[in-house]
Amino acid sequence: QKEVEQDPGPLSVPEGAIVSLNCTYSNSAFQYFMWYRQYSRKGPELLMYTYSSGNKEDGRFTAQVDKSSKYISLFIRDSQPSDSATYLCAMNHQAGTALIFGKGTTLSVSS
Amino acid sequence: NAGVTQTPKFQVLKTGQSMTLQCAQDMNHNSMYWYRQDPGMGLRLIYYSASEGTTDKGEVPNGYNVSRLNKREFSLRLESAAPSQTSVYFCASRPTGNYGYTFGSGTRLTVV
Repeated sequence: QKEVEQDPGPLSVPEGAIVSLNCTYSNSAFQYFMWYRQYSRKGPELLMYTYSSGNKEDGRFTAQVDKSSKYISLFIRDSQPSDSATYLCAMNHQAGTALIFGKGTTLSVSS
Repeated sequence: NAGVTQTPKFQVLKTGQSMTLQCAQDMNHNSMYWYRQDPGMGLRLIYYSASEGTTDKGEVPNGYNVSRLNKREFSLRLESAAPSQTSVYFCASRPTGNYGYTFGSGTRLTVV
């Protein structure tokens, strides 16, 4: 079993939809969780950062961590065509250690 | 605001050739990383440097070597390129503490 599992999609939604992206992980020691967005032929960019359990909101984006279920989510409200990208989850267990990435979910938002 | 700069952006090599991928960051970050990204495989760590003067292997180090030339620069060398090394290579850096990475724009390498 891979340490981090992420459904690759693709996921296609209409503009304005609520999008839910998810990752599961196997290492209960993970406590730092991040979401990256990667546009086609570009490098990933940090979108959200969460420590331990709970929710974090930034504009239309909400990151949620459920450590008891080893499950993290990214919600996008009022999705826009500009949200079309690949979304990668990433995590690590100790501050400063290298991140472990999911394989990414490709999202397409149609106008 | 350059961030992380990778050169070259594209490269085609013949099997057996060698080359060095360059990476430089201007954010005074301590840690630097090399990842490769392949379809269906995600980002896999090749090598990393937690601080100037140190380097460590990641998940897929075979066929690669690295040099942390100074705090700014971290290069990746392919001594004898193989078709299996066809990939997109990303360099990233991070300051001390557990912050997110800043990635470069990538090098698209094809080995024929």
